[in-house]
Amino acid sequence: AQSVTQLGSHVSVSEGALVLLRCNYSSSVPPYLFWYVQYPNQGLQLLLKYTTGATLVKGINGFEAEFKKSETSFHLTKPSAHMSDAAEYFCAVTESGGSYIPTFGRGTSLIVHP
Amino acid sequence: DADVTQTPRNRITKTGKRIMLECSQTKGHDRMYWYRQDPGLGLRLIYYSFDVKDINKGEISDGYSVSRQAQAKFSLSLESAIPNQTALYFCATSVSGYQPQHFGDGTRLSIL
Repeated sequence: AQSVTQLGSHVSVSEGALVLLRCNYSSSVPPYLFWYVQYPNQGLQLLLKYTTGATLVKGINGFEAEFKKSETSFHLTKPSAHMSDAAEYFCAVTESGGSYIPTFGRGTSLIVHP
Repeated sequence: DADVTQTPRNRITKTGKRIMLECSQTKGHDRMYWYRQDPGLGLRLIYYSFDVKDINKGEISDGYSVSRQAQAKFSLSLESAIPNQTALYFCATSVSGYQPQHFGDGTRLSIL
C-alpha cells in the first residue's frame, strides 16, 4: 500500500535562504509523485510531478524535486526563498497499476521571514 | 472562469441539517473526487468517481453521500450534519490516475 510522510509540519526560513521540504513515500510498485502548493483561501495547485524519465524535475516558481528510488524520497527544494513562497505544501504519491488513487501527505507549512 | 467551481464557498449550518456541496468542471475530465482538509491531517478522500456510472467510497465516506449528475457535476451531501464534519472541503478532477489533479477553491463548512 502507498503512503507519504512529510517531515516537519512547519518549516521556517529567511528570505533568500534555501528551501528544503522533505517527502518520503512507500510504494510496492513504481510511483508517480507530485508536489502541490496551497495558498490561503485557495485550492491546491500543481508545482511539479515525476512520472518516468529524468529524476530531477523542475516545476513552477523556481522549485525542483529529485526522485531518489534508493531513499524512497522526493524532496522539494528552491535555492532562494521569496516572501511569496509562504504557503502549505503537499506531497502526493500514486501507485502505477490498480485504481491510481493518490495519497497525500499531511502537508508542510512554509514560513518565510524577512 | 475557474475550471473547477465549488458552491457555496462558505456555509454555516446547524447540527442535524442536510447539506449539499456542489462541484462543476469545464475541463472535460472523467475522474472527480471529494476531499476534506483538516489542520494537521492533510487531505482525506471521501468519495471518487471515474465516470457517471462509477462511484466509489474513499477512506472516510461514513456520514456522506455523493451524486454524479453528469460528467461535469459531482455533488457531496451530508444527510444529517454533525459538528465533527466541520472542515474545508475540496473537489478535484483528473484526466487519468497518473496525471495531476485540478482542485476547486474549496468550501469552508461550519456545523454548529
